[in-house]
Order: sequence, then C-alpha cells, then structure tokens
Amino acid sequence: EDQVTQSPEALRLQEGESSSLNCSYTVSGLRGLFWYRQDPGKGPEFLFTLYSAGEEKEKERLKATLTKKESFLHITAPKPEDSATYLCAVQALGNNRLAFGKGNQVVVIP
Amino acid sequence: DTAVSQTPKYLVTQMGNDKSIKCEQNLGHDTMYWYKQDSKKFLKIMFSYNNKELIINETVPNRFSPKSPDKAHLNLHINSLELGDSAVYFCASSAFGSLNIQYFGAGTRLSVL
Repeated sequence: EDQVTQSPEALRLQEGESSSLNCSYTVSGLRGLFWYRQDPGKGPEFLFTLYSAGEEKEKERLKATLTKKESFLHITAPKPEDSATYLCAVQALGNNRLAFGKGNQVVVIP
Repeated sequence: DTAVSQTPKYLVTQMGNDKSIKCEQNLGHDTMYWYKQDSKKFLKIMFSYNNKELIINETVPNRFSPKSPDKAHLNLHINSLELGDSAVYFCASSAFGSLNIQYFGAGTRLSVL
C-alpha cells in the first residue's frame, strides 16, 4: 500500500525565516509526487508535480525537490500569506489514485 | 468562474437522516472524485468516476452511494447518517490519463448531531 508521511506536523516561522518541509513516501513505482496547499475552509490547491529523482520545481518562495524516498518543500523568506497546510501526495504507476499525507501546517508570524 | 463547485458548503443534520451533496466541474475533465477529510485533516479517497463509470470504490459503508448523471457532475448520497460521518467532503476532478493533477472544490462540512 502506498504510504506518505509528512514532517513536521506543525511549524511556526518568523517572517523571513526559511525552512523545509519533508514528505517521505513508499510506493510501488512512482508515477508522480504532488504538492498541494490548503487554506482553512478551502479545498487543496495544486502547486507542483515531480516525476523523477533529482527534479526541482519553483514557484515564488516555494521550491520542491525529489529523491527516490522523499520530497522537500523549501520555503524561502516566508511571508504571512504563506501560512497554510501543505499536503504531499503520490501516484503509483498504473494507478489513478492519489495517496495523501496528513500535511504540514505552517504558520508565518509577522 | 468556479472550476469545481460543491453544494451545500455546510450541512447540519440529525443521525439517521439521508442527505446529498452535489458537485459540478466546468473544466471539461473526464474523471471526478469524492474524498473525506477527517478531524485530523487526513484526506482519503472514497470514489472515482471516469466518464460516468465507477473506477475507484474504496472500502466505505454502502450507506454512501455516488451517482454521476454525466461527466461534469458527481453527487454523493448518504443514507442513515451516523455521528462518525461528520467530516469535510471534497469533490475533485482531473483529466483522464497518466498525469493525475486533481482540482478540488471548496468542500462540504457535514455535521451529524
């Protein structure tokens, strides 16, 4: 069974204090790893897809990287508007479903 | 223009009642999903339809019955509601194929009293 473990569960950052979120996964052949952002009272919003080890993607202050066992979401010089829960999910080869982790809840304090 | 819309946003009901949640997407996608997010924020797949055909049916009580009248709509009907059904239910859609980027609705918060 595909498994996704995210750490830390919760993180408080000062504005401008860079940090990284971890997503460890176990999957029988990775088709893709996905990062989503979820704000309170809203649905998950797609951020990135990564397909193979060594791949990196960036969007504003966010950078996602992938190895064969884990992915990191780096938040550089975060702002209060980066406060959200970040969800990681994996899709296995030949499978249409996503398996989600429990999320990293990030709070950025001004 | 909302891409994936769910109604209602909030649903408060008594145990034993039957209720439905509706979902519509205007993205032209072939595949739609229902997820349940519990109090610990864990998002778990329940069902998926591709072009009105059921393709994922996780182990959920048969009190939950999805219905897809066309590929733009996927509704969820729940019979004999129980306290443990209280959660946020999300609808999502994606284009059919190997790249499964899913787009989510805003969620329906169901509270069973």
